[in-house]
Amino acid sequence: EPEVTQTPSHQVTQMGQEVILRCVPISNHLYFYWYRQILGQKVEFLVSFYNNEISEKSEIFDDQFSVERPDGSNFTLKIRSTKLEDSAMYFCASEDGLNEKLFFGSGTQLSVL
Amino acid sequence: QKEVEQNSGPLSVPEGAIASLNCTYSDRGSQSFFWYRQYSGKSPELIMSIYSNGDKEDGRFTAQLNKASQYVSLLIRDSQPSDSATYLCAVNIGTTRDKLTFGTGTQLKVEL
Repeated sequence: EPEVTQTPSHQVTQMGQEVILRCVPISNHLYFYWYRQILGQKVEFLVSFYNNEISEKSEIFDDQFSVERPDGSNFTLKIRSTKLEDSAMYFCASEDGLNEKLFFGSGTQLSVL
Repeated sequence: QKEVEQNSGPLSVPEGAIASLNCTYSDRGSQSFFWYRQYSGKSPELIMSIYSNGDKEDGRFTAQLNKASQYVSLLIRDSQPSDSATYLCAVNIGTTRDKLTFGTGTQLKVEL
């Protein structure tokens, strides 16, 4: 069964460093998303991406965040200068554009020290 | 007002019983509603979607939607210990179709 793949599964970084989280969405999907979940809290929307551009973004997704689809398969989230409060599980998700059903990857646990 | 609200639980039910999980949402214009299951340390997994008022059944799961009351529920029949997880209600708020908003989730415990 097709699945969304995320790498790495764990990322530890120092405050102020740049990180790139990588995702390979399901191949025929059209909409791509990043969500995050701070430990013990709810899943929060960050950004949606469709037709090679951002379609929606939340207040969390400020100038420190960016997304890119550099080729036909990868979808990345970059955090330019990480903060302690960026520590969370980051989930990538994709959707085929027909029924708004999101399929999530297994997540990248980001720890900012 | 929170956009999607759920009782955090835990909700404890005996094995074989019906578990009833509830969710309310703030925006009357919302059109798409979803239930996800999340095991501890894992990613959300889609269980049910519902778009019209009424009931929608899929195996042991029934989703119920009442747009007038801005209320969505999930019933799990014949609850099993493997159903023990956090159940997340998610809504595409208003007329957006790609900004799914999640509730905080209800923790369900199915006891032997």
